[in-house]
Amino acid sequence: QQQVKQSPQSLIVQKGGISIINCAYENTAFDYFPWYQQFPGKGPALLIAIRPDVSEKKEGRFTISFNKSAKQFSLHIMDSQPGDSATYFCAVDTSGTYKYIFGTGTRLKVLA
Amino acid sequence: EPEVTQTPSHQVTQMGQEVILRCVPISNHLYFYWYRQILGQKVEFLVSFYNNEISEKSEIFDDQFSVERPDGSNFTLKIRSTKLEDSAMYFCASSWDRRTGELFFGEGSRLTVL
Repeated sequence: QQQVKQSPQSLIVQKGGISIINCAYENTAFDYFPWYQQFPGKGPALLIAIRPDVSEKKEGRFTISFNKSAKQFSLHIMDSQPGDSATYFCAVDTSGTYKYIFGTGTRLKVLA
Repeated sequence: EPEVTQTPSHQVTQMGQEVILRCVPISNHLYFYWYRQILGQKVEFLVSFYNNEISEKSEIFDDQFSVERPDGSNFTLKIRSTKLEDSAMYFCASSWDRRTGELFFGEGSRLTVL
């Protein structure tokens, strides 16, 4: 099964800092790239998503940057808050059959 | 706000027993999924379901697994003969447009196989 690789695996950021999480994929058959946020004991919840006809999408403190040629997209969390502490997953449709494969996950901890 | 509901929240079973996990997707959604997550690790795709048939399944979804939409609201995952390695959190998800990757997940069912 094709891998969707995230980095870093874990991240510690001071309150007010910028958190950056990267996602790299081998191939995608459909151009839509979501990020999910998961708190302990909860299911993943859609945070933000981008179509690659734009290189960047911003929603509040969250921004996705997309680099189609490099097959990478990134999540930026500006002014990180302790409430942002969670695990973040990117997801990619690798086969064109609407089977979204989740990335390996990044555990973010924001220190107060 | 509409949500995906799953039952039971936690099930403990003996190895070799059959387990059924139940899900009620969001009412106007057409596409349904099961994912699993072992001990807070990556979220693994199991199966997608549309129009009363499986659309896609992973290599994890072998003959021991089956899914069903027995009525207009429930979506179930059955594991016929559970193994120790089936212990995981199982998440049901639904979407109204499968192109977008906008899946709405339930809170999960924790399965513990002893």
